[in-house]
Amino acid sequence: AQTVTQSQPEMSVQEAETVTLSCTYDTSESNYYLFWYKQPPSRQMILVIRQEAYKQQNATENRFSVNFQKAAKSFSLKISDSQLGDTAMYFCAFSISGGYNKLIFGAGTRLAVHP
Amino acid sequence: GAVVSQHPSRVICKSGTSVKIECRSLDFQATTMFWYRQFPKQSLMLMATSNEGSKATYEQGVEKDKFLINHASLTLSTLTVTSAHPEDSSFYICSALQGEGYTFGSGTRLTVV
Repeated sequence: AQTVTQSQPEMSVQEAETVTLSCTYDTSESNYYLFWYKQPPSRQMILVIRQEAYKQQNATENRFSVNFQKAAKSFSLKISDSQLGDTAMYFCAFSISGGYNKLIFGAGTRLAVHP
Repeated sequence: GAVVSQHPSRVICKSGTSVKIECRSLDFQATTMFWYRQFPKQSLMLMATSNEGSKATYEQGVEKDKFLINHASLTLSTLTVTSAHPEDSSFYICSALQGEGYTFGSGTRLTVV
């Protein structure tokens, strides 16, 4: 069975600074996808970034980047130049490639960005 | 981009009644949809996977007779909470699989009084 672990229930950061959210996962599969989703107070799930396991290069999306360590099964999210609008719950998620595979979420990290 | 419309956004119902939540893919065909439940300040817990034209696959511990899922067309999946009780009060979210990505509905806050 696949599991996703986020060990930081809450994090805080000053505006314009950098913060890293941790995520580890466990799977015996070799082909899979990893995701970071943001859930603001509106509770709409927003995709932040996606990483295919077969790609060695870390995914980046503007201020968001990941550190994907496949051997260590680690998938951390770095947010640079934090903005007040980044305040939200962040969920790390995992799915197996191919087929109709479900998305498995970690417990989430609540991030607060302070002015 | 891909949009999944979920209705209603909020619903209050009396204990013992049934409530139907709809998720509709607006600009793509969703062969597979997922239904999640989220308690306050907690993660999304997968309830079931629905595939168009076939029976839903429920996660362990989810009562299939209580949470009826129908996926009769490629653009519509519904979740019906039958004989609702206060403990069914929660936030329910659907998600449609599109390629290797997922598009989420905006969620439904169900309150059973």
